Amino acid sequence: SYVLTQPPSVSVAPGKTARITCGGNNIGSKSVHWYQQKPGQAPVLVIYYDSDRPSGIPERFSGSNSGNTATLTISRVEAGDEADYYCQVWDSSSNRVFGGGTKLTVL
Amino acid sequence: EVRLVESGGGFVQPGGSLRLSCAASGFTFSSYAMSWVRQAPGKGLEWVSGISGSGGSTYYADSVKGRFTISRDNSKNTLYVQMNTLRAEDTAVYYCAAITGSGSLNDAFDIWGQGTMVTVSS
Repeated sequence: SYVLTQPPSVSVAPGKTARITCGGNNIGSKSVHWYQQKPGQAPVLVIYYDSDRPSGIPERFSGSNSGNTATLTISRVEAGDEADYYCQVWDSSSNRVFGGGTKLTVL
Repeated sequence: EVRLVESGGGFVQPGGSLRLSCAASGFTFSSYAMSWVRQAPGKGLEWVSGISGSGGSTYYADSVKGRFTISRDNSKNTLYVQMNTLRAEDTAVYYCAAITGSGSLNDAFDIWGQGTMVTVSS
């Protein structure tokens, strides 16, 4: 089965840049999606197909994917960005797979 | 307004059964694949099951294969999952999610419901 590995936590000061990684074997050959989940709420899609943003998602959110690592970058971090973030791919052997999630803390 | 509303969650004993429903509105339900995704308390997201827009193709995670059955009624714009032989480890919030992209298996879950809680305990 295909495994996605995320750091459990990332901390960043307001106004700085947060980078959340998602590791997987040759993940660069796959399409990666990112979801934001705030406490008690359903997940929200923030990046799809590696780097596309759904309407309504701020330009501060961006994504990249190459080699064995995909990265979600949040620029000019705000207090409201504090949440859990999950990466997700489709894999032929595992169907849809989520990473373990990363808790973003805004200091 | 695009909306997914889950129902049917509750408390059930190990070995019991439960059927969850997800009512869709605001988009052409029959055109799109749907999935169930669950989240155990304090844990991450886990894909559970998926179904094509026509209902002709279904997919399951190994953890629920043979115990859960996904289905849909496009005339009622409703997604279901029948959960049998429930175990304590099935305790989770169950979300339904829609994939309204191009129809590729690589598409993202772009619409989510608010979730319904299932608790399996004696």
